[in-house]
Amino acid sequence: SQELEQSPQSLIVQEGKNLTINCTSSKTLYGLYWYKQKYGEGLIFLMMLQKGGEEKSHEKITAKLDEKKQQSSLHITASQPSHAGIYLCGGHNQGGKLIFGQGTELSVKP
Amino acid sequence: DGGITQSPKYLFRKEGQNVTLSCEQNLNHDAMYWYRQDPGQGLRLIYYSQIVNDFQKGDIAEGYSVSREKKESFPLTVTSAQKNPTAFYLCASSMGAGTPGTDTQYFGPGTRLTVL
Repeated sequence: SQELEQSPQSLIVQEGKNLTINCTSSKTLYGLYWYKQKYGEGLIFLMMLQKGGEEKSHEKITAKLDEKKQQSSLHITASQPSHAGIYLCGGHNQGGKLIFGQGTELSVKP
Repeated sequence: DGGITQSPKYLFRKEGQNVTLSCEQNLNHDAMYWYRQDPGQGLRLIYYSQIVNDFQKGDIAEGYSVSREKKESFPLTVTSAQKNPTAFYLCASSMGAGTPGTDTQYFGPGTRLTVL
């Protein structure tokens, strides 16, 4: 069965530093989604990538999907305490089902 | 404000009792979903519905039941048959586009269920 692996599982960075979270699939993805979650709350949609090689940015967050559509990265520039939370990647498999990675917990130290 | 609401935010249940979690959306979405989130296990799909009066089992449907009598509402009942119901439950909705990869799911704030 298809799985999504996220790395790292957790990350602690100093405020102002850049960071990258990775999401890898064992098979081709038909749509890759990034969400952010605060503990005990719902998921907030960040970005969707659909095409191989696609890159999207919103404020200080950039997401990329590789040409094979099996790997995505989420890059945060000049991190701030407001970026802290759990980041989850989700991807549609060929059958249309949305599967999720385990999440990456980000802490930003002021 | 368009969005998805879940109630209650916290729910406590005694063993052997059924309990129903509410999910309402005013986004005019056709599809709705229920997920369960446990520490270290990510999100797992319980049930989903692509249209009113129709729903399908997800990966972990045992011990749960749903109904979809209205487009806006998709309540989840956690029955006494669910062996380990303590978890965080998330409801989501999407437009329900037919092509995989084009159907963004939007999530509610979640309900934390604790069995005493």
